[in-house]
This record gives sequence, C-alpha cells and structure tokens, in this order.
Amino acid sequence: SQQGEEDPQALSIQEGENATMNCSYKTSINNLQWYRQNSGRGLVHLILIRSNEREKHSGRLRVTLDTSKKSSSLLITASRAADTASYFCATDPTGGSQGNLIFGKGTKLSVKP
Amino acid sequence: DSGVTQTPKHLITATGQRVTLRCSPRSGDLSVYWYQQSLDQGLQFLIQYYNGEERAKGNILERFSAQQFPDLHSELNLSSLELGDSALYFCASSVLYGETQYFGPGTRLLVL
Repeated sequence: SQQGEEDPQALSIQEGENATMNCSYKTSINNLQWYRQNSGRGLVHLILIRSNEREKHSGRLRVTLDTSKKSSSLLITASRAADTASYFCATDPTGGSQGNLIFGKGTKLSVKP
Repeated sequence: DSGVTQTPKHLITATGQRVTLRCSPRSGDLSVYWYQQSLDQGLQFLIQYYNGEERAKGNILERFSAQQFPDLHSELNLSSLELGDSALYFCASSVLYGETQYFGPGTRLLVL
C-alpha cells in the first residue's frame, strides 16, 4: 500500500529555477527518506530526515518535515538539466519493523536547458 | 555507485520458470532489503534480513523466497514465474535497520 503521496506528479521547469516537491503520508514515522531515480535505473539516496527533525540541508537540497501535518517537502535550488529524474519519498513507519520503507509514486521532474 | 551490487542486470525467462537474483550489500552493512518496482504497483517492500535472519516481510508472494548467507550476501528466489512478475527488483542495504538504505542498480526481469 502507498503511504507517501508526492505532489505534483510531474513538474517541468527551466534550468536555474527552484523545484519544490511535496510528500504527504498517513501514519506516524521513524524517518522519511528522499530518493532520486533516473529513467528506470537505481535509486540514489538524497536525504534522511528523522521524526524529531524539522529541516535538513545537503548541497542544493533542502528537506522539511512537518509531523503534525504528516508532510515533507524537497526543494532543489538552482536546478540543472542533470536534476531531471523521478523523485520519491519513502517513509519508515512506526509500529512495525524498522526499515520497511513505503514509497510514494514519485514526482517526475524535467529541467529544460 | 552505492556500493551495493546486484546480478544479473537483466534476466529474460519464460512463465513457470524459476530464477535467482543475487545481492551483495555494502561493506559493513548488516541489513538487506528487497523491493519490487513495477509500473502498476510502484516500489514495494518485499522482505528484510538482518545479520542472516529474516526480520520482516512485506508484500512478498509465497512463490518468492529469500535468504541471507553468513557472508551477508542475499539471494531472492522467484519461482513459478508469471507475466505479472516482470519488474525491476532492487536490493538495498543499511548498517542497521531504520538507517539510510543504499540501493543497488537493480535486476530487470522480463517474463515471457
């Protein structure tokens, strides 16, 4: 079952613009992870944010987490054509065995040069 | 490169057959996870191992089984294959369950 739902499903922007993707989930979590996937290839881990954290940065990436709203956002600043990929949020829900990530359906980001 | 390796990269087989997918985790990682990615179901957790022991099961069919060996590599066995089993199968590993998972490049299975 899908816990995370990304929004929008698809996003098209110009190089240099910022891209924001949102993720909503249904149950309490231990952590939330964001991944990137290029065209059916392997998933690349971007950021893990724990339930007691509100914001995390990594290079041009900024992730926020609002556990009261059960939502997270991924911001990519100054986007590049190489950022074109699908982005997934994955939640590690509490109450079960830790690590069994539940993935959303992803946001397809297209960055035009 | 995540450090997780999977073989083979591609596999084409017929319905009713059995295949084995292999995964070597990152050095030092004790947890191994298997996921299936298909167009209709998206990415789904199948099964988790920790230090050789099965820890959790997700949406794994009874026709599928897995194990983690003493050297920590893992194998996913898929039997009595059906057309609907065609998918990308990913292995991931982490130092400990609940930590960052690093994914392998996947095995693309096509059942004809």
